[in-house]
Amino acid sequence: DVKVTQSSRYLVKRTGEKVFLECVQDMDHENMFWYRQDPGLGLRLIYFSYDVKMKEKGDIPEGYSVSREKKERFSLILESASTNQTSMYLCASRSATGTRETQYFGPGTRLLVL
Amino acid sequence: AQKVTQAQTEISVVEKEDVTLDCVYETRDTTYYLFWYKQPPSGELVFLIRRNSFDEQNEISGRYSWNFQKSTSSFNFTITASQVVDSAVYFCALRNSGGYQKVTFGTGTKLQVIP
Repeated sequence: DVKVTQSSRYLVKRTGEKVFLECVQDMDHENMFWYRQDPGLGLRLIYFSYDVKMKEKGDIPEGYSVSREKKERFSLILESASTNQTSMYLCASRSATGTRETQYFGPGTRLLVL
Repeated sequence: AQKVTQAQTEISVVEKEDVTLDCVYETRDTTYYLFWYKQPPSGELVFLIRRNSFDEQNEISGRYSWNFQKSTSSFNFTITASQVVDSAVYFCALRNSGGYQKVTFGTGTKLQVIP
């Protein structure tokens, strides 16, 4: 079974803090994704990575950056957290082999910025 | 641009009732993939089904069934004889076949099954 893990289930930070959200997958997937989920808005793509050290902006990259130094790990960074970044953050990974492959999701991190 | 619409924000049914979750999509691609995911209260999205644009056969898996109709750009999901464990948020999603194969999610339908 594919396993995607996220470093924290719940996180509380203060405005202006630098926040790191970590995601690790164990299936040697090339593609990894960060989404945020907000009520009424569904899942929105923040960033994705299709290989080590490669990244592409998603639909809402402002205020975020990412890092992929190793294939299994994809980090989301909030350089200076703001209250409007309070949300549920979901990481996903997917094999790049063929177009049929499915995204597998981690359990999510609920971030509260005070 | 591609878009997925789940018009039903919340649905409540009594246990054992059948329920259909609607999904309508828009895309200019001729080859694409449609998905349904379930998000229980624990938060993790669970993959339910993937369907490609060339396969309009309906699918049944136990109490779950999916109706894909290209003519109406719909991919509806029916749960037969609903159970309390079906209570969750359900997301419909669309992925194109080109470029980075971006996935677009609908806003989700929250299903509550009342015992």
